[in-house]
Amino acid sequence: QKEVEQNSGPLSVPEGAIASLNCTYSDRVSQSFFWYRQYSGKSPELIMSIYSNGDKEDGRFTAQLNKASQYVSLLIRDSQPSDSATYLCAVNGVWGNFNKFYFGSGTKLNVKP
Amino acid sequence: GAVVSQHPSRVICKSGTSVKIECRSLDFQATTMFWYRQFPKQSLMLMATSNEGSKATYEQGVEKDKFLINHASLTLSTLTVTSAHPEDSSFYICSAKPLENTEAFFGQGTRLTVV
Repeated sequence: QKEVEQNSGPLSVPEGAIASLNCTYSDRVSQSFFWYRQYSGKSPELIMSIYSNGDKEDGRFTAQLNKASQYVSLLIRDSQPSDSATYLCAVNGVWGNFNKFYFGSGTKLNVKP
Repeated sequence: GAVVSQHPSRVICKSGTSVKIECRSLDFQATTMFWYRQFPKQSLMLMATSNEGSKATYEQGVEKDKFLINHASLTLSTLTVTSAHPEDSSFYICSAKPLENTEAFFGQGTRLTVV
């Protein structure tokens, strides 16, 4: 679905560096924004949620939301090899009368030791 | 935390048969559940949104007669793949949203192989 777009990567960063992941969305009715991490063959797991403009920090992770520009980003500080996974951006909102939850195609992150 | 249980985790079936996948929210009530399909190395594609007590809403291109969704209670939604064919082989994942929050929590996924 094209409501959410991400670069597929792979994004390669050395261990200890900052990884920056970006996402754009196409519809202004999107209300809530999420970053999920998915390891191969597994279900996604929630990393961060963000609902209002600005930055939200949680440990090594910082989510940034800019509704005017319709983008949301995720920064991972002090990247670790265990952070290597596919990161999915998701948006939740009401389209018509229906609550929808769309995902981007995901960005594959490789953290090299 | 919120737990979503999906069953079975893996299923192999013969072409032409039907397969039912269950999605249960174990410690919260979910008025809305989502069903996704994910092919290898691709993203999660939303198939349908399941609302308790009402008909599911399907995404464009998803056949509602082939993928039957039932959301009979606030803790259970089922997806039935009818007359399955090899091209239906995929990873099917459900997610559920608690009433109070907007995060969606995922089941473990079901790997369907149609032979």
